[in-house]
Amino acid sequence: EDQVTQSPEALRLQEGESSSLNCSYTVSGLRGLFWYRQDPGKGPEFLFTLYSAGEEKEKERLKATLTKKESFLHITAPKPEDSATYLCAVQAYSSNTGKLIFGQGTTLQVKP
Amino acid sequence: KAGVTQTPRYLIKTRGQQVTLSCSPISGHRSVSWYQQTPGQGLQFLFEYFSETQRNKGNFPGRFSGRQFSNSRSEMNVSTLELGDSALYLCASSSKSPEPSGNTIYFGEGSWLTVV
Repeated sequence: EDQVTQSPEALRLQEGESSSLNCSYTVSGLRGLFWYRQDPGKGPEFLFTLYSAGEEKEKERLKATLTKKESFLHITAPKPEDSATYLCAVQAYSSNTGKLIFGQGTTLQVKP
Repeated sequence: KAGVTQTPRYLIKTRGQQVTLSCSPISGHRSVSWYQQTPGQGLQFLFEYFSETQRNKGNFPGRFSGRQFSNSRSEMNVSTLELGDSALYLCASSSKSPEPSGNTIYFGEGSWLTVV
């Protein structure tokens, strides 16, 4: 069964304190791994799609990496405005559709 | 470029009633998916439509249904509402049918449904 597990569930950082969020997955053929940011009361905001092991993508203070079993979202020198829930999702070849399987998310709080 | 638009944003319904939610995808996008988000279960896939055809369906009862129109706009309907149907319902759109390289999937702001 395709599955996504994110850790930690919650993370509290001081402004400027870098860290990483983990997304472990099991999927019958990975079509793509997606990272989203979700603010309270809003829909998920697209950040990255990774397709193959070894791939990396960056956007401002965020960098996403992918291996055959997990993905990391590295946050460098975070600011309070980076506080949000970060969601990881996988898209499998087997579904032959756009269906995403989501993890439970990591809620990040960055204190000034 | 306009994003994914969902209406209504908030609504309150009574148990036993039915509700229809609407989604307008990004212009040019032909695939629309629906998800239910609750604190306990997270984001769960409901169904996906492409070119007016349902391509995939999640593990939800038959009370949950949807459709897609020729202009790619989509609606989902929940009949005989239950308290447990209270959730954020999210619509997502993407530009191509699945390809080996995958695609980018964008979400709307969602429709908050409260069942009382």
